[in-house]
Amino acid sequence: DTGVSQDPRHKITKRGQNVTFRCDPISEHNRLYWYRQTLGQGPEFLTYFQNEAQLEKSRLLSDRFSAERPKGSFSTLEIQRTEQGDSAMYLCASSLLAGGYEQFFGPGTRLTVL
Amino acid sequence: KQEVTQIPAALSVPEGENLVLNCSFTDSAIYNLQWFRQDPGKGLTSLLLIQSSQREQTSGRLNASLDKSSGRSTLYIAASQPGDSATYLCAVINNAGNMLTFGGGTRLMVKP
Repeated sequence: DTGVSQDPRHKITKRGQNVTFRCDPISEHNRLYWYRQTLGQGPEFLTYFQNEAQLEKSRLLSDRFSAERPKGSFSTLEIQRTEQGDSAMYLCASSLLAGGYEQFFGPGTRLTVL
Repeated sequence: KQEVTQIPAALSVPEGENLVLNCSFTDSAIYNLQWFRQDPGKGLTSLLLIQSSQREQTSGRLNASLDKSSGRSTLYIAASQPGDSATYLCAVINNAGNMLTFGGGTRLMVKP
């Protein structure tokens, strides 16, 4: 399978715990994006990387959130001191720098904070 | 700030009907527009991408149009089938190509 993959697919945690999600983009894609989607809403942009550089962050990305893409390949999204409001689907997407910026999405990680 | 609206929020039709989903956006300075399908609890599947210089794209029974100056796009689904039941999301890409802004989606149910 050469699509975008995300791990884990589901995560249940208690309030106050830290969680980390991983995204593996399509191999030749140099742009990687993170979005958050709550029930019944469209996804909202969180941040994106071009190669290993994090170029933009939404104000939705509070200081409890951090994302990395250390070698320009896979990315991790960490949430510290989780809150119940962090419960959502976290979606990762990737695209080429050129070619219309068409974004391809992974299956998402469903986070539930108890 | 770009805002994307999709109407209707939900739609239920009998199998075989042709249908139109609507998407509007407030800022016409877009690079392109994508339509996605999302099944419950799943990720997004890209259906069609329309470049800002194009007026429509077709894939099988799907046809998407774009009127950039009026800030509108439509997704036409011909001869709907129960397997088309899903949420359809419209999203615009800004000129920097660095983020998608999504509408709230149209939840479609096609009844056999």
